[in-house]
Amino acid sequence: GAGVSQSPSNKVTEKGKDVELRCDPISGHTALYWYRQSLGQGLEFLIYFQGNSAPDKSGLPSDRFSAERTGGSVSTLTIQRTQQEDSAVYLCASSLYHVGTSSDDTQYFGPGTRLTVL
Amino acid sequence: QKEVEQDPGPLSVPEGAIVSLNCTYSNSAFQYFMWYRQYSRKGPELLMYTYSSGNKEDGRFTAQVDKSSKYISLFIRDSQPSDSATYLCAMYGGKLIFGQGTELSVKP
Repeated sequence: GAGVSQSPSNKVTEKGKDVELRCDPISGHTALYWYRQSLGQGLEFLIYFQGNSAPDKSGLPSDRFSAERTGGSVSTLTIQRTQQEDSAVYLCASSLYHVGTSSDDTQYFGPGTRLTVL
Repeated sequence: QKEVEQDPGPLSVPEGAIVSLNCTYSNSAFQYFMWYRQYSRKGPELLMYTYSSGNKEDGRFTAQVDKSSKYISLFIRDSQPSDSATYLCAMYGGKLIFGQGTELSVKP
C-alpha cells in the first residue's frame, strides 16, 4: 500500500520567509512524528502527535516552529522567519501505535523534504 | 555528552566482509533498541528491533544488546554492495533518541 508521503521534496527559500512542509501518513496510523536531519547529524525529534491527544512539542527548537495535524491525518510543519541554520532534511514518520506501547509500533518514514535557506 | 554516541565513519569494507556497527549510550532508562538503514535521499527504514539484552538474528543481520555495558551492535554477515547506506541506532526510554549514523560502503 501507499507509504508516508511528503511534499515538497525540495524547498529553497530566502532567509526570513515562512515555509510549510506537508506530511501524509499511512492511512490508519494514529502516531505521527516530525524529525530534522542536518548534514552529518542523526535525527533530531521535533514534535509528536498521537490521536486526539495534545502533541508533544518538546523537541521544537524555537517558537518559529509549529505543527498541526488536521483530522488525525495530514500534518503541516510551519517554520516562520526562516534562518540559514534551519537548512536540513525534514522527515515525517507515522506508526500504528506510539513506540514502546505495542508490538506494532514500527515507524515508517517518508522520503523527507530538503529545505535550503539562502 | 550525547545520550547516544555512534561513530559516523565512513566505513569502507570489501564485499563479503563481516561488518560491525556500534552505539554506546548513557541513559539506563532505554528499554527498546533499534537499527535503521537509510539510503541516500531516502527516509530511514527499520532493520532490527530488540527489547532486551542478548542477540537477535534476522538473515544476515544480528543485533546485540549489552545493557550492563550500555552498548549495542549490529553485525552484517557476507556484506553486499546493496548494504551500502547509513545505519542509525535508536533507543527508546520515554523518548526516542537516534545516533548520528554510520556511513557504510561495501565495495564489490
